[in-house]
Amino acid sequence: KAGVTQTPRYLIKTRGQQVTLSCSPISGHRSVSWYQQTPGQGLQFLFEYFSETQRNKGNFPGRFSGRQFSNSRSEMNVSTLELGDSALYLCASMAGNEQFFGPGTRLTVL
Amino acid sequence: KNEVEQSPQNLTAQEGEFITINCSYSVGISALHWLQQHPGGGIVSLFMLSSGKKKHGRLIATINIQEKHSSLHITASHPRDSAVYICAVEDGGGADGLTFGKGTHLIIQP
Repeated sequence: KAGVTQTPRYLIKTRGQQVTLSCSPISGHRSVSWYQQTPGQGLQFLFEYFSETQRNKGNFPGRFSGRQFSNSRSEMNVSTLELGDSALYLCASMAGNEQFFGPGTRLTVL
Repeated sequence: KNEVEQSPQNLTAQEGEFITINCSYSVGISALHWLQQHPGGGIVSLFMLSSGKKKHGRLIATINIQEKHSSLHITASHPRDSAVYICAVEDGGGADGLTFGKGTHLIIQP
């Protein structure tokens, strides 16, 4: 089975722009979670989707949003980018209680 | 909100040594995860524990629910074990996704 894929792998944006990141889970996995990793804060939970519904949401501003499609692929969007949004964004799909992580998208905001 | 503390933050050891990484948390949980992150960002899920002990190859994870503490042990350590090891907890309600520790940066020297 193919693993979790994320696109793009690297992205450079400027302040004020918006960005959309994509995650394709392992085939058959219906749950997708998103995480942000920064040197200062470490890993933080953004949100979780299951069968196209947001099930959980972390403590992030409304500029961070996401959605999940009927094929379980998920996107997250960050609007009005700030310098502090520079981070590695990871998604993970879940089977049972085990999470399978994608390689991440490294976002740099200039 | 759960507070997750890991120790040590950094650990350098010689090949063959027995390694212990500790994780403590402040609020009761439904499950605890141990993750491994290699340079470049890729994360692999090592264990998910809700009680007792699990073993996979040279890795052993234990959890003491009453003491709110978990340990990850590596026997016969090898340079390829060099990575960041991250502890993450799920609270009982599952409403906040995973809460992560800051990670332990392990270097095994040949």
